[in-house]
Amino acid sequence: QVQLVQSGAERRKPGSSVTVSCKGSGYTFSAHYIHWVRQAPGQGLEWMGFIYPNTDGTGFSQKFQGRLTLTADTSINTAYMELANLTTDDTATYFCTRLSRVPFDFWGQGSLVTVSS
Amino acid sequence: EIVLTQSPGTLSLSPGERATLSCRASDSVTRNFLSWFQQKPGQAPRVLIYAASNRATGVPDRFSGSGSGTDFTLTINRLEPEDFAVYYCLQSGASPWTFGQGTKVEV
Repeated sequence: QVQLVQSGAERRKPGSSVTVSCKGSGYTFSAHYIHWVRQAPGQGLEWMGFIYPNTDGTGFSQKFQGRLTLTADTSINTAYMELANLTTDDTATYFCTRLSRVPFDFWGQGSLVTVSS
Repeated sequence: EIVLTQSPGTLSLSPGERATLSCRASDSVTRNFLSWFQQKPGQAPRVLIYAASNRATGVPDRFSGSGSGTDFTLTINRLEPEDFAVYYCLQSGASPWTFGQGTKVEV
């Protein structure tokens, strides 16, 4: 069965960076886009960007341009989301999700990133 | 950027009633690439409807989607207790992809 398993919760100080991983299993990892979506506490969903593991092609929301790096390692079926220059507004749960014929048909469990001094 | 506006913000209903949720786009959604998601507290979202009117695998047929262009609707017939949640629309026809702000369906 298809699964996306994310890394655990992280705590960072303002100005630092965080990396969240997302390991896929049960399907051909390289053949499906991985998107990243975040959700601040008590707020709605926010689309961040995507990576296509087969080609490392990426796309980003302009809001995160310059701060967001998306990578993938197809040898271990894992995608990574690195967000730099963190502020307290980046405190959120970060989700990876798969794009197939049905958009976002499978999701990771979410990774809580807390930014606090 | 296409802005999606969902209404109402909160819908107060009882089990067995029908819920009608609206998602209005600031510009036409390319190829009607509009999806609906359900999210319960502490969980990842779950896709219900894609391409405006197609039910995802395993989604009960009391959920239906309709609409095109800029106006889309999610209808939930005969609400079950497990349907009380927050619902989001997503447009994936133009970058950046955007979500609506959500509609909470509460008892």
